[in-house]
Amino acid sequence: DAGVIQSPRHEVTEMGQEVTLRCKPISGHDYLFWYRQTMMRGLELLIYFNNNVPIDDSGMPEDRFSAKMPNASFSTLKIQPSEPRDSAVYFCASRNRGEAFFGQGTRLTVV
Amino acid sequence: AQSVTQLGSHVSVSEGALVLLRCNYSSSVPPYLFWYVQYPNQGLQLLLKYTSAATLVKGINGFEAEFKKSETSFHLTKPSAHMSDAAEYFCAVSDGGSQGNLIFGKGTKLSVKP
Repeated sequence: DAGVIQSPRHEVTEMGQEVTLRCKPISGHDYLFWYRQTMMRGLELLIYFNNNVPIDDSGMPEDRFSAKMPNASFSTLKIQPSEPRDSAVYFCASRNRGEAFFGQGTRLTVV
Repeated sequence: AQSVTQLGSHVSVSEGALVLLRCNYSSSVPPYLFWYVQYPNQGLQLLLKYTSAATLVKGINGFEAEFKKSETSFHLTKPSAHMSDAAEYFCAVSDGGSQGNLIFGKGTKLSVKP
């Protein structure tokens, strides 16, 4: 398996624009997580899914953020409209019955 | 609720010295515990895991951790630090054993001096 795949690896966008981050989990994993990492706040859990169903979205900062998992092999995290304070590295991870496996992350810069 | 506390946001050791990174957990169920490492500009990578088998767990790159239930600890050690060990280390506990979310500590940045 190629591991958790995130795209794009880097995204630079202007304030107010819509941003969509994508994640392909490891096949057979039934949990999918979205995290955000910044210098100031460290690693934060935004939302996680079990069998494509959102279980806990209490970490989503505000209504500008939304996440979907239409099927077991794909998830998106959307920010609309984006703001400079959304600049961070966003990680996707998936898990079956053991450890979580992380993608390489998407570095988002909002200017 | 499950939680993790990592003591020391920054640890500095000399090359060849012992590495000790501390992690204490709180869990209402038998815990699944993990240590992850993050190198600059990379994702988190699993170092080792405890899932209720042997209490001394060996991981990659010469690291090991000991699960101590009486102390609710899962400290990470390495006998001799190498320059390549410089990275950020995260301890995590599973929210529900083999299922659920992983609760991460705030991380410890390890520096290795020549």
